[in-house]
Amino acid sequence: KQEVTQIPAALSVPEGENLVLNCSFTDSAIYNLQWFRQDPGKGLTSLLLIQSSQREQTSGRLNASLDKSSGRSTLYIAASQPGDSATYLCAVMEGSARQLTFGSGTQLTVLP
Amino acid sequence: EAGVAQSPRYKIIEKRQSVAFWCNPISGHATLYWYQQILGQGPKLLIQFQNNGVVDDSQLPKDRFSAERLKGVDSTLKIQPAKLEDSAVYLCASSRGTVLHEQYFGPGTRLTVT
Repeated sequence: KQEVTQIPAALSVPEGENLVLNCSFTDSAIYNLQWFRQDPGKGLTSLLLIQSSQREQTSGRLNASLDKSSGRSTLYIAASQPGDSATYLCAVMEGSARQLTFGSGTQLTVLP
Repeated sequence: EAGVAQSPRYKIIEKRQSVAFWCNPISGHATLYWYQQILGQGPKLLIQFQNNGVVDDSQLPKDRFSAERLKGVDSTLKIQPAKLEDSAVYLCASSRGTVLHEQYFGPGTRLTVT
């Protein structure tokens, strides 16, 4: 059974810092990996999607990498801002029904 | 394009009562998902529909949870009777299909069972 782990569970950084969020998964037979952002009281917003054949994806200040063989992904946020404060979730898509299995998330606080 | 709509946004009930949640997916999206997100955890898939058929409901507690997607558009998720451990956010998501298609999530319904 796939298990997705995110470390750390919570992170607090001063504004302007570059930071890395980690995600690991136990079964490398995945189709893709997605990073989501969740704000309090709101649903999930997709940030980046990396197909299993890709190594990384970039969007603005965000860069996500995928090492499928080692079961790891990182989300790099450059020049963090208070507006980046949210919970970040990673999820892997797997199985014949293409279902998502989520990690528990990293709660990020960027201090002004 | 309108996003995934869910109602109600919040619901408080007593244990052993029943409750229903409604979801309207993005127009044209064939696949619809219901997730349960307990505080401090990631979402867990409860049931997946392709049009009006069930693709997977292996994690749905069928003794108390039921879901339907009549006409392959909007969907309802029902809990009867509710237990304290059902307190969670119930998220609905939709996608165009299942093959590598991105899922779009609604705002969720926060259920508190007292």
